Amino acid sequence: EAGVTQSPTHLIKTRGQQATLRCSPISGHTSVYWYQQALGLGLQFLLWYDEGEERNRGNFPPRFSGRQFPNYSSELNVNALELEDSALYLCASSLLTGGYNEQFFGPGTRLTVL
Amino acid sequence: RKEVEQDPGPFNVPEGATVAFNCTYSNSASQSFFWYRQDCRKEPKLLMSVYSSGNEDGRFTAQLNRASQYISLLIRDSKLSDSATYLCVVRAQNAGNMLTFGGGTRLMVKP
Repeated sequence: EAGVTQSPTHLIKTRGQQATLRCSPISGHTSVYWYQQALGLGLQFLLWYDEGEERNRGNFPPRFSGRQFPNYSSELNVNALELEDSALYLCASSLLTGGYNEQFFGPGTRLTVL
Repeated sequence: RKEVEQDPGPFNVPEGATVAFNCTYSNSASQSFFWYRQDCRKEPKLLMSVYSSGNEDGRFTAQLNRASQYISLLIRDSKLSDSATYLCVVRAQNAGNMLTFGGGTRLMVKP
């Protein structure tokens, strides 16, 4: 069974530009999560989408946004890029069963802002 | 105070050793607990969920103490391939499905 996939693997942008990151969940998973892991810092929760709706949002500014498509894939958009946005962006997916809802991560997109 | 705290290590142990990691969490509404491992510049991989009664998966044993709000991971018979960063992760009932990660404990197993 294919795992979570993300594209692109690497992305280089300059300050002020916009970045779009993509994620495809494990087949059958309806929930997609986005996390940021900046160098030397822990993983920080960004966004949670389920059934096409934004369900929860972490403590990030509004220039971080996203959406989930009918096929449950998702996009993360980062507008007006700042140097501090340089990080590994990880997407995870899960089922929502009312139990532990384990989240499985994709390989990430490494965003570099110059 | 961080919501999930771990000793960053590194823990340097010889092959075959037994090593234990502890983790404390501050949110008493936490309801689900996990250990993930993360290799350098890779994504976190789920190692095991941690159940109230404790659980074992091969050489790995996880324990949960809700009263003291700590979680432990025991690795027996350490292998070189166990070298990684181990992340303690919790999800609180009042935080949607958001996972809160500890900073990780680095393990280095040496020949």
